[in-house]
Amino acid sequence: DTEVTQTPKHLVMGMTNKKSLKCEQHMGHRAMYWYKQKAKKPPELMFVYSYEKLSINESVPSRFSPECPNSSLLNLHLHALQPEDSALYLCASSQKAANTGELFFGEGSRLTVL
Amino acid sequence: DQQVKQNSPSLSVQEGRISILNCDYTNSMFDYFLWYKKYPAEGPTFLISISSIKDKNEDGRFTVFLNKSAKHLSLHIVPSQPGDSAVYFCAATIDSNYQLIWGAGTKLIIKP
Repeated sequence: DTEVTQTPKHLVMGMTNKKSLKCEQHMGHRAMYWYKQKAKKPPELMFVYSYEKLSINESVPSRFSPECPNSSLLNLHLHALQPEDSALYLCASSQKAANTGELFFGEGSRLTVL
Repeated sequence: DQQVKQNSPSLSVQEGRISILNCDYTNSMFDYFLWYKKYPAEGPTFLISISSIKDKNEDGRFTVFLNKSAKHLSLHIVPSQPGDSAVYFCAATIDSNYQLIWGAGTKLIIKP
């Protein structure tokens, strides 16, 4: 069982839809991440929240909008996506403020944009 | 410019034998090196890490070796088991930044 929970596991949306991906962790971690992963590629970092503040935004298009309501929750709001945005979206968290690289990943949300 | 390279896209090993996965890097400023394991349609799982000041770290069947002069990292799995079949990613951290620099991954297949 993963300790980082992502919902939904699968999402199909049209290019004009607005949807959200949700992530929750109860490990008391203070850093949370959104990654995007395409088939046969490593994960690509999108956003990092540290102590509920956005600390890294990897020049992600504005059609992706992150939100961190509290230290346990991280959302990714999706609007006007393109078919090339179809991918596995991974949420992760980490315990240490200093980056030792040990991330706990959720199982991912498989997004298909039609 | 790929700072972390995994040159073998796939590796096939007999069950019970040793699996050796390799990783090369170019940036001598990396702080930590890590190995993640990924099954299809799941998130990566942290496996083992090593600080740049060490040359070996062992955890059960998994051992990571770091050769700083060669800028080379390897993961040894002994003995290999069918459940080890997965994609293995090498990754590195730098400057206490939250970024992980990932390799392209190596698909390990354990044959019965």
